[in-house]
Amino acid sequence: GAGVSQSPSNKVTEKGKDVELRCDPISGHTALYWYRQSLGQGLEFLIYFQGNSAPDKSGLPSDRFSAERTGGSVSTLTIQRTQQEDSAVYLCASSLGILLSQETQYFGPGTRLLVL
Amino acid sequence: GNSVTQMEGPVTLSEEAFLTINCTYTATGYPSLFWYVQYPGEGLQLLLKATKADDKGSNKGFEATYRKETTSFHLEKGSVQVSDSAVYFCALMGQGAQKLVFGQGTRLTINP
Repeated sequence: GAGVSQSPSNKVTEKGKDVELRCDPISGHTALYWYRQSLGQGLEFLIYFQGNSAPDKSGLPSDRFSAERTGGSVSTLTIQRTQQEDSAVYLCASSLGILLSQETQYFGPGTRLLVL
Repeated sequence: GNSVTQMEGPVTLSEEAFLTINCTYTATGYPSLFWYVQYPGEGLQLLLKATKADDKGSNKGFEATYRKETTSFHLEKGSVQVSDSAVYFCALMGQGAQKLVFGQGTRLTINP
């Protein structure tokens, strides 16, 4: 079946602009995660959604970052007033949502964001 | 907090060599442990995992054993191939947690 998809694959923006990144999880997966992969910080957790529960936003680096998940499926990560340090690859992952701490997370190809 | 430390890279080996990439972790309780791999131009994918102490995960000739006494999850392969060239990430998910904590990654290059 189809894997996790993300769009756009690449995004170049100017400092101060807002950007939206989209993630389509694997059908039937109730858990959805956002991570960021950057040269300086490695791979770091941003936010996690599970069903109708309140999201775990503990990894968001600032209040310029927000995410929502509509209808328990598609998720959008929004970065307001982008800064150059936001440049990174943003990865989305999904999992079944049953045995969370043991489950395999399936990753999308990522969105490469460059802030000029 | 939870953390993962893995072998500094890059690592360069000849084809058919034996591979070890060290990974140690710090976590309370009983985390689940994972190795993810990122091939050139591709996304992260699970290589293997172990969810309890003494479990051995294996896939594609790679193995790793969950050692709670040494808090380690070293990745091994007896005979590497050029196609194994990739970046390897050790990761853990804390007991009752839902987020992966990754090591810094190890770039592996296999020469023919």
